Amino acid sequence: RKEVEQDPGPFNVPEGATVAFNCTYSNSASQSFFWYRQDCRKEPKLLMSVYSSGNEDGRFTAQLNRASQYISLLIRDSKLSDSATYLCVVRVGGNYQLIWGAGTKLIIKP
Amino acid sequence: DTAVSQTPKYLVTQMGNDKSIKCEQNLGHDTMYWYKQDSKKFLKIMFSYNNKELIINETVPNRFSPKSPDKAHLNLHINSLELGDSAVYFCASSQDYGQETQYFGPGTRLLVL
Repeated sequence: RKEVEQDPGPFNVPEGATVAFNCTYSNSASQSFFWYRQDCRKEPKLLMSVYSSGNEDGRFTAQLNRASQYISLLIRDSKLSDSATYLCVVRVGGNYQLIWGAGTKLIIKP
Repeated sequence: DTAVSQTPKYLVTQMGNDKSIKCEQNLGHDTMYWYKQDSKKFLKIMFSYNNKELIINETVPNRFSPKSPDKAHLNLHINSLELGDSAVYFCASSQDYGQETQYFGPGTRLLVL
């Protein structure tokens, strides 16, 4: 089982819709969680951190479920510019190493 | 100004050659990284370099060697290139080791023929 798993997609979503996707992690010692965004042929950029109490930034909401070991990302009122690959990142305690998921590709269609 | 820069952006070379990729960050960060992103889009850490301490991912072949002339630079040297080395290599930096906010360079697309 991969340490961080994501549905690769692509998720084809009409503009204005709400879309959500999950990421599961296998190591129960995971301490910190993040969503990065990677545009096609570009570098990854931090989108948001995922706190135990959840985190909201505009149209984006991230949540953590420690019991089931997954994090989620919800995008409301999706825009064409939201089209990208969303990478789930987990930091395991101790060595601070970041473990990256392979990403979920999102395509917003007009 | 670009925060994290890499050169070259594209690199096409023959199997068996030795090549280097350069990385520079002007953010004043203490930690720099090299990642490899393969065709399946998995981003894997290769090296972390913090205050002259090198942390190596044990799965990285010893043909790969990072070289840091100073805190702002972390170059990647690859000996005896193999077909399987073809990938996108990203350099990144963070304020300190373990910081989740990593700033990535634009990537170097390496193709080994």
